[in-house]
Amino acid sequence: KNEVEQSPQNLTAQEGEFITINCSYSVGISALHWLQQHPGGGIVSLFMLSSGKKKHGRLIATINIQEKHSSLHITASHPRDSAVYICAVRVRGGADGLTFGKGTHLIIQP
Amino acid sequence: NAGVTQTPKFQVLKTGQSMTLQCAQDMNHEYMSWYRQDPGMGLRLIHYSVGAGITDQGEVPNGYNVSRSTTEDFPLRLLSAAPSQTSVYFCASSPVPSNQPQHFGDGTRLSIL
Repeated sequence: KNEVEQSPQNLTAQEGEFITINCSYSVGISALHWLQQHPGGGIVSLFMLSSGKKKHGRLIATINIQEKHSSLHITASHPRDSAVYICAVRVRGGADGLTFGKGTHLIIQP
Repeated sequence: NAGVTQTPKFQVLKTGQSMTLQCAQDMNHEYMSWYRQDPGMGLRLIHYSVGAGITDQGEVPNGYNVSRSTTEDFPLRLLSAAPSQTSVYFCASSPVPSNQPQHFGDGTRLSIL
């Protein structure tokens, strides 16, 4: 069973485009994380959300707890944004640790 | 600050060999965890610890042991390596409570022949 589903799996866009990556989950959560994994393999935490919206530079993350859905937006996309974006949730009442989606592979072409 | 340091970065083992993947953090984080990342799957939790002397199993603990004798270190031991344990392993840490942004190491790429 996949408790965390991301869409799309793969996304190729042109530089400057507005990007949206979606994450849906089927369990009660206490927090949702967005992570970025570059081709070199390192993983960086972008956002942690339990409600509402957060913004950092050109990145915006939103969450709708009632609909069990979150989105990650990238404005004015750039080739350096090319990476795998991963959604992860902390399941309420579950074991400590995160449950991860499979990731969205984003390529921004110049 | 070094953050979360994993060693080695790459390792090749033969089936049946044992080894220890090292993880150290210098941020005084109480919570540490190990994940494995396999193609076509999300990262999966192997073991975690909420403080020195306390460890617990995650989703895929079989074939792995952990210990937490200090706040800084959280080694992952493969007792008898199997080809199914070929994967990329990530260590992560965060302050307690664990509901905080996590800091990840750079990963260890492990191949079992």
